[in-house]
Amino acid sequence: GNSVTQMEGPVTLSEEAFLTINCTYTATGYPSLFWYVQYPGEGLQLLLKATKADDKGSNKGFEATYRKETTSFHLEKGSVQVSDSAVYFCALSDPDSNSGYALNFGKGTSLLVTP
Amino acid sequence: DTGVSQNPRHKITKRGQNVTFRCDPISEHNRLYWYRQTLGQGPEFLTYFQNEAQLEKSRLLSDRFSAERPKGSFSTLEIQRTEQGDSAMYLCASSLGEQGAADIQYFGAGTRLSVL
Repeated sequence: GNSVTQMEGPVTLSEEAFLTINCTYTATGYPSLFWYVQYPGEGLQLLLKATKADDKGSNKGFEATYRKETTSFHLEKGSVQVSDSAVYFCALSDPDSNSGYALNFGKGTSLLVTP
Repeated sequence: DTGVSQNPRHKITKRGQNVTFRCDPISEHNRLYWYRQTLGQGPEFLTYFQNEAQLEKSRLLSDRFSAERPKGSFSTLEIQRTEQGDSAMYLCASSLGEQGAADIQYFGAGTRLSVL
């Protein structure tokens, strides 16, 4: 079946540090990949997505590249800010699977950025 | 557009009671999803609707759970005879229903259920 594995947190960084959150997946078909973010007290928000191999999703300085050969979709940001403190979820959607368009999420990675 | 709305935001109930949650999706969104999220975990898929038709149900959706979307607009999720293990955040999401990979789900803030 489909699954998503992401690095465990919490991750604590100083402001302006480089961020990488690792995400790998297993899928039976050709999934789309997503990063969602959950800020404290708020609902899940889509951060970025990629729909096919070698696509790069980007938003708010965050980037992730769909790597089919390594089944990965690592999230990166060159310089984090305190306002980036949140929980980040990697997810996939595989319309060819039994669960159709449902999102399959990783466990989430908590990020804390300190001044 | 105010986004996906869920009510109530919090629900505290005693074991064995029935509870019902409501989700109002973004207007004109054809698909509506329910997920459950427990502490320290990612959301887990429960079920989804294409308009008023319930097309998929997860194994997590036991017989005590039922969901409806009678007119293809709002949806309700009912849990009968609640158990302590039902305590979780219940999330609703909606999407336009575009074919293929471009379909983006927008989430509500969730209903937090506590079963005492």
